[in-house]
Amino acid sequence: ETGVTQTPRHLVMGMTNKKSLKCEQHLGHNAMYWYKQSAKKPLELMFVYSLEERVENNSVPSRFSPECPNSSHLFLHLHTLQPEDSALYLCASSRLTGTPQETQYFGPGTRLLVL
Amino acid sequence: GNSVTQMEGPVTLSEEAFLTINCTYTATGYPSLFWYVQYPGEGLQLLLKATKADDKGSNKGFEATYRKETTSFHLEKGSVQVSDSAVYFCALSGTNAGGTSYGKLTFGQGTILTVHP
Repeated sequence: ETGVTQTPRHLVMGMTNKKSLKCEQHLGHNAMYWYKQSAKKPLELMFVYSLEERVENNSVPSRFSPECPNSSHLFLHLHTLQPEDSALYLCASSRLTGTPQETQYFGPGTRLLVL
Repeated sequence: GNSVTQMEGPVTLSEEAFLTINCTYTATGYPSLFWYVQYPGEGLQLLLKATKADDKGSNKGFEATYRKETTSFHLEKGSVQVSDSAVYFCALSGTNAGGTSYGKLTFGQGTILTVHP
């Protein structure tokens, strides 16, 4: 039980669709993250939110749009994606940002396929 | 910048064999080091961590020691089980060039471990 849930677990979408991924953490943490896990590539950090403010945007294309309405919820809005965006999208949370010692707790991920 | 290099897999072992997965890193400052494990169809789970040089992280029979002199954090287990079959990721959390940490984890590419009965 990681305390971080993600929905949906699987998503198939066309390139013209708009969809959203949802992440919720039940750990009382103040920081949340989106990662992308592609086949044969290391996990890539996409976005970091601390106390609902975006503190890092790792050169992610604008077709990915994050939203953090409160410290427990994080969304990733998707529009006009490309087939190469197919991947496992992982959400994580931590107590704080700002110190390297903080442990990040991951959700199970959303497996996205773009046709 | 920061980087993590893991030994290439896949690694295939028989049950009760000794496991070593090598991990070396490049980082400025004083990073923290982590091992995460990903079981099939699941997200990443923290396996163990070490936050300063010579610290040993341990959990579920796995161990890793933070070696600053060799910039390494090798994962070991004395006797693996079939249930240890998973993908193992070495990661570091450090500071950027400006000395700020936003909790960014830099991951290695992952090592697939398969344990046969």
